[in-house]
Amino acid sequence: EAGVVQSPRYKIIEKKQPVAFWCNPISGHNTLYWYRQNLGQGPELLIRYENEEAVDDSQLPKDRFSAERLKGVDSTLKIQPAELGDSAVYLCASTLGRGVYEQYFGPGTRLTVT
Amino acid sequence: SQQGEEDPQALSIQEGENATMNCSYKTSINNLQWYRQNSGRGLVHLILIRSNEREKHSGRLRVTLDTSKKSSSLLITASRAADTASYFCAPYRSNDYKLSFGAGTTVTVRA
Repeated sequence: EAGVVQSPRYKIIEKKQPVAFWCNPISGHNTLYWYRQNLGQGPELLIRYENEEAVDDSQLPKDRFSAERLKGVDSTLKIQPAELGDSAVYLCASTLGRGVYEQYFGPGTRLTVT
Repeated sequence: SQQGEEDPQALSIQEGENATMNCSYKTSINNLQWYRQNSGRGLVHLILIRSNEREKHSGRLRVTLDTSKKSSSLLITASRAADTASYFCAPYRSNDYKLSFGAGTTVTVRA
């Protein structure tokens, strides 16, 4: 069974540029999470999807961040415009459903904003 | 916040020794999970202990949970070089379906 797939693995952009990250969860997993992990810290939740609905986006900086999960499968997280402080690893995770606790993480996208 | 807080921040041990790390949290939980992260990789789920359990084993891993003290511990026995990683505890509260990660414990196993 394929794991959670993320692309790109690495991205370097200049500040004020836009950037997008893509995630393909494990087949059949209805719940999808986006996390941000700063250096030396644990992941922090940005947004949680149940199928195509964003059910918790309270931690998503909505002035510059947006996300979508069309058809309840793949998801895209976008930052526009990027700031220096956005440099971090962006992790996607999925699980079968909200009553299933174990989360499966992708390898992450390491974003560097210069 | 129910964020887990791991202690110590870093741990260096010799191969074959045991490694113990602790986690404290602040609010009531449904379960507590431990994850491992190798350098530059995503997190991997290691073990889950429910709030009504006190101890759980999985291979060389032993987890304890004390809900009265709001604390948990992870013991890795007979450590190997491949155990070198960061370990995160993540309390889980079922009313908001969130895992809350601490900063982790970085474990280095010396050959």
